[in-house]
Amino acid sequence: GAVVSQHPSRVICKSGTSVKIECRSLDFQATTMFWYRQFPKQSLMLMATSNEGSKATYEQGVEKDKFLINHASLTLSTLTVTSAHPEDSSFYICSARFSGRYTDTQYFGPGTRLTVL
Amino acid sequence: AQSVTQPDIHITVSEGASLELRCNYSYGATPYLFWYVQSPGQGLQLLLKYFSGDTLVQGIKGFEAEFKRSQSSFNLRKPSVHWSDAAEYFCAVGPYNNNDMRFGAGTRLTVKP
Repeated sequence: GAVVSQHPSRVICKSGTSVKIECRSLDFQATTMFWYRQFPKQSLMLMATSNEGSKATYEQGVEKDKFLINHASLTLSTLTVTSAHPEDSSFYICSARFSGRYTDTQYFGPGTRLTVL
Repeated sequence: AQSVTQPDIHITVSEGASLELRCNYSYGATPYLFWYVQSPGQGLQLLLKYFSGDTLVQGIKGFEAEFKRSQSSFNLRKPSVHWSDAAEYFCAVGPYNNNDMRFGAGTRLTVKP
């Protein structure tokens, strides 16, 4: 199947700093990528939909100025957590949408664990 | 509003035993249903999906799921579990284009030797 990578896999930062997470589709082009957040023992919560060449669409309750999303190319989307605080500590997962002739599937990255001290 | 409920947070089965993971959904339109598996440190892998047609769907790794509209359920089954099946399993519902998928809280599967 298609492969999606995330970098870094784990990051620890100090409160007040910004952290950038990259999501790449390695063997296909993705016009749409998604960013999810997953708290321990909880469901994946969709944060935003990232469309190549346009502004991201944020879910209700997600601060767009805090979680900056850039989808500059068909294979790369980035999520920047600005002025991170301990409550932003979470598992962030991206996915890339593959649209083929007979299928439309999301492929997920391995996730990035963010810990804010 | 669409939502997904996985009633079992954690299930333990013996290797070789059968498995059924429950999933109930609430969706206003025709649901498209998915099961994903997540191993530690890895991304979610699609096991199977239901869009339409035969309500019994076959997936990878010997898994199958049955869509029951009357019960709003999409339970995942496997006749004989292998130790490598130990992982977290997520049920999800969404539109065909996946643009608004909702995930259940997940069920952690432990396999006893």
